[in-house]
Amino acid sequence: GNSVTQMEGPVTLSEEAFLTINCTYTATGYPSLFWYVQYPGEGLQLLLKATKADDKGSNKGFEATYRKETTSFHLEKGSVQVSDSAVYFCALILNTGGFKTIFGAGTRLFVKA
Amino acid sequence: NAGVTQTPKFRVLKTGQSMTLLCAQDMNHEYMYWYRQDPGMGLRLIHYSVGEGTTAKGEVPDGYNVSRLKKQNFLLGLESAAPSQTSVYFCASIRGGTDTQYFGPGTRLTVL
Repeated sequence: GNSVTQMEGPVTLSEEAFLTINCTYTATGYPSLFWYVQYPGEGLQLLLKATKADDKGSNKGFEATYRKETTSFHLEKGSVQVSDSAVYFCALILNTGGFKTIFGAGTRLFVKA
Repeated sequence: NAGVTQTPKFRVLKTGQSMTLLCAQDMNHEYMYWYRQDPGMGLRLIHYSVGEGTTAKGEVPDGYNVSRLKKQNFLLGLESAAPSQTSVYFCASIRGGTDTQYFGPGTRLTVL
């Protein structure tokens, strides 16, 4: 079936450290891939996306590359800030009627000053 | 635009009570979704709608019903609440021809 697996958290980093959150997927066809971020007490919001193999999504210093050969979409940031503390969700969407999105379990990131 | 709004923000129910959660979007989006979020499980799709007057089951539909009588509103009903339905509920919408979801702020429901 279709699924998304992302690294378990929490991840705790010091400010200015390098961040990687791993995400792999299983899907039939060619999904679009997303990273959503959820700040405390809020709904999810789109962080970045990629729609086809080798595309790189980027936003606010975060990047992720759609790797079809490894079925991965790892999230990276070169220098995290305290304000990046949140829960990050990897997701895929299938264009098979209804645009249903499948989410990973989420990874909580804590950034210490 | 207000985006996606949800009513209420918090609610406490007793087992067996019923309630309706309201989701409204002012972006003229075709697709609407209801999810529940539980610790360590990400978001799970309850029901969704691809247009006014149509609904479909998602991954975890049991114990819930939905209606979409107007394009801008998507209602989630619990006929007889159970403690297992304690969760945070999120509504989302997508504009036709695109793939990015817009989420509401969530409703925290506790069933005692």
